[in-house]
Amino acid sequence: AQTVTQSQPEMSVQEAETVTLSCTYDTSESDYYLFWYKQPPSRQMILVIRQEAYKQQNATENRFSVNFQKAAKSFSLKISDSQLGDAAMYFCAYRSLFDNFNKFYFGSGTKLNVKP
Amino acid sequence: NAGVTQTPKFRVLKTGQSMTLLCAQDMNHEYMYWYRQDPGMGLRLIHYSVGEGTTAKGEVPDGYNVSRLKKQNFLLGLESAAPSQTSVYFCATGSGGYPQETQYFGPGTRLLVL
Repeated sequence: AQTVTQSQPEMSVQEAETVTLSCTYDTSESDYYLFWYKQPPSRQMILVIRQEAYKQQNATENRFSVNFQKAAKSFSLKISDSQLGDAAMYFCAYRSLFDNFNKFYFGSGTKLNVKP
Repeated sequence: NAGVTQTPKFRVLKTGQSMTLLCAQDMNHEYMYWYRQDPGMGLRLIHYSVGEGTTAKGEVPDGYNVSRLKKQNFLLGLESAAPSQTSVYFCATGSGGYPQETQYFGPGTRLLVL
């Protein structure tokens, strides 16, 4: 099974500033998808952004962008202009394209605090 | 549409008791998954199903059983609850139609085993 590592259990950022959350993964596969999910205190899992491995261009969704380094197996999430509503747990997830059952492998999560 | 719902939202069990968690979806998805979420461990896959009448083991299946008698429902059973099964349980679904598809999550069930 693939492993996904989030080495920052908790981070803090000042409102309106930029923060980067790290994620690395281990795989021998050449093509796959990577996802970032947000889990606010409500516990609802919300998709933030996704990236397919064969696409070199980094994905962007409004204030959220990724830095995808395939050779380094790194997939970091950058949040610009942080808002109080960004405070949540963030999970990185891996999905193989060779898995017919669409299983996801999640990292351990990073808790993001946003200071006013 | 309700999407993915889970019943109950919270439950307290005593060691050795049994219970069933229900996941229901109205998205007509073929694939359904049960995860558990523990502090510092992220979400780990317990069991999954790729269609009515089929189930398979995930990463941490021990102590759990599942059934998918109807396409819209996926049940997770604990036959003899243990304190190690204290966790938050999430159900998720997917159509399996295309690789970039996200999984759609329910709101979670918090289980405390004393």
